[in-house]
Amino acid sequence: EAGVAQSPRYKIIEKRQSVAFWCNPISGHATLYWYQQILGQGPKLLIQFQNNGVVDDSQLPKDRFSAERLKGVDSTLKIQPAKLEDSAVYLCASTGTGDYGYTFGSGTRLTVV
Amino acid sequence: AQKITQTQPGMFVQEKEAVTLDCTYDTSDPSYGLFWYKQPSSGEMIFLIYQGSYDQQNATEGRYSLNFQKARKSANLVISASQLGDSAMYFCAMGPTQGGSEKLVFGKGTKLTVNP
Repeated sequence: EAGVAQSPRYKIIEKRQSVAFWCNPISGHATLYWYQQILGQGPKLLIQFQNNGVVDDSQLPKDRFSAERLKGVDSTLKIQPAKLEDSAVYLCASTGTGDYGYTFGSGTRLTVV
Repeated sequence: AQKITQTQPGMFVQEKEAVTLDCTYDTSDPSYGLFWYKQPSSGEMIFLIYQGSYDQQNATEGRYSLNFQKARKSANLVISASQLGDSAMYFCAMGPTQGGSEKLVFGKGTKLTVNP
């Protein structure tokens, strides 16, 4: 089966600009996650979707970050405006019924300059 | 709150030798899962092994085994017969048992370097 697809792979933007990341989970996976991984740290959950509803967005900086999962399939994460501290790898993951853990995408490496 | 602690920022091992990566955890939940992921320099997170809190036997997956000591709240990863391709970051994580969808909580990771 196809894995979790993410794009772009890399992105460099200036601070205060906006950026969007896209994720397409494994077909049939109802639960989708966005994680932020700052250099030297483990991933931290930003937002979790169950189908097209939000389950957990307690760690999402809502003044600048937004995410949606229209139709319960693919998802977009947006940052507007970006700050230097947003430089990180943004990982998308999905899980299905009966799975152990998640399947992660390759991530988007964001550099804010 | 769940917490994962990995105390080894970096580890070195000779090719073909075994290595143990340490992980301790803290939770008040009676039911939980423990996971190990490998992250090569390319960035993707690769699932290695899973241990459920009620599993009686330690999990094994090929060259990977999980040394689960529930009373000590530790879940160390053992890699046998290390290969050069094992060089990567390794993350221990806590989350749901099989079929659950709660978030994973990760440690800070251990960088493993396998020397020829």
